Amino acid sequence: QQQVKQSPQSLIVQKGGISIINCAYENTAFDYFPWYQQFPGKGPALLIAIRPDVSEKKEGRFTISFNKSAKQFSLHIMDSQPGDSATYFCAASPGLGNEKLTFGTGTRLTIIP
Amino acid sequence: GAVVSQHPSWVICKSGTSVKIECRSLDFQATTMFWYRQFPKQSLMLMATSNEGSKATYEQGVEKDKFLINHASLTLSTLTVTSAHPEDSSFYICSAIPNYGYTFGSGTRLTVV
Repeated sequence: QQQVKQSPQSLIVQKGGISIINCAYENTAFDYFPWYQQFPGKGPALLIAIRPDVSEKKEGRFTISFNKSAKQFSLHIMDSQPGDSATYFCAASPGLGNEKLTFGTGTRLTIIP
Repeated sequence: GAVVSQHPSWVICKSGTSVKIECRSLDFQATTMFWYRQFPKQSLMLMATSNEGSKATYEQGVEKDKFLINHASLTLSTLTVTSAHPEDSSFYICSAIPNYGYTFGSGTRLTVV
């Protein structure tokens, strides 16, 4: 029940296109859903996060869509650029009070010219 | 923004020796820090939760005698890999929670030869 399932495992998108990565969870106690971007040899960096009281959050080219009833959330990257090529992880936790993060399996995104 | 500093960035050690990795919160106090391990092309796996002034909480399957964690102050947690073996070679990452979300260090690449 602690799992966060992420798909696809890898994704190739043309420059300027929309990249979409999906995650699903089972634990209804999860209350905080961040997305992280990781470049090779670096730690993950927080991109954007959402709480379940809203269905969408947008920050620049990055949007999280959240469907509480389906227990699914997704990351949309608009106008994808070669610099967006990285591995993306969704995650979930019961909150921000020193709770453990559960990570998805990761999506390797490649943006081609 | 809040910064988690991790040192060293990479280390090579001989089999049988011990290696210490430091994780510091630079501009905030962290009563709790988390230690993760990441194998190539895989997700982050939580190893242990480090609590200031008390014993760390280890995840199932993590050898507490091999991976010693000390959280001696509100800004410093250390992970010591004792009697390291080649199978301990991995990318180790720490994280902490400032006010607005989990922040990760830049990671330590450990290679045991």
